[in-house]
Amino acid sequence: DQQVKQNSPSLSVQEGRISILNCDYTNSMFDYFLWYKKYPAEGPTFLISISSIKDKNEDGRFTVFLNKSAKHLSLHIVPSQPGDSAVYFCAASGGTSYGKLTFGQGTILTVHP
Amino acid sequence: EAGVVQSPRYKIIEKKQPVAFWCNPISGHNTLYWYLQNLGQGPELLIRYENEEAVDDSQLPKDRFSAERLKGVDSTLKIQPAELGDSAVYLCALGRLAGGPYEQYFGPGTRLTVT
Repeated sequence: DQQVKQNSPSLSVQEGRISILNCDYTNSMFDYFLWYKKYPAEGPTFLISISSIKDKNEDGRFTVFLNKSAKHLSLHIVPSQPGDSAVYFCAASGGTSYGKLTFGQGTILTVHP
Repeated sequence: EAGVVQSPRYKIIEKKQPVAFWCNPISGHNTLYWYLQNLGQGPELLIRYENEEAVDDSQLPKDRFSAERLKGVDSTLKIQPAELGDSAVYLCALGRLAGGPYEQYFGPGTRLTVT
């Protein structure tokens, strides 16, 4: 039962353009969502989060959008930089999963110079 | 910012052998997690500690996996005996606050290969 899904295994973007990574969830009890970035041979690094009481949260080049009715969130990176090339995981928490993060499968982002 | 040291970074063992992983938080955090990450997948929770107490171990295969957290600081995860399907990256993470939504800070992980 995959409660958090990232349906795009990979994404390729030109430097300077926008990267949009998508995530869908099925558990309506989730009320807190996070994005993590992972480089090879390193652990995931927290990037940005959003509570279900908001529909947008922005931090520099990174913006997360939450559509509760569609159970969908997205991460926008503008402008994309080669250093953003990594695996991006979305994660969710809430309800009976309070205090526990449920991760998606990840999306490999490649930003070309 | 939390710091998490994990050792060893890589481990290769034969099936049916025992193996242990260590997690040493640099800073004090009440909440500690062990995750398993298979290739091409996101991390999956194995066990969560609040101080010394394991508050969620529902996904820990208790027939072969065990864990402990000494004095609410360092933690050890053990597999005995290891199986081929246990090959994965084992991640330790720390939580900022107990009982609420929070970010988790991950260590670099231990990559286990069972042959």
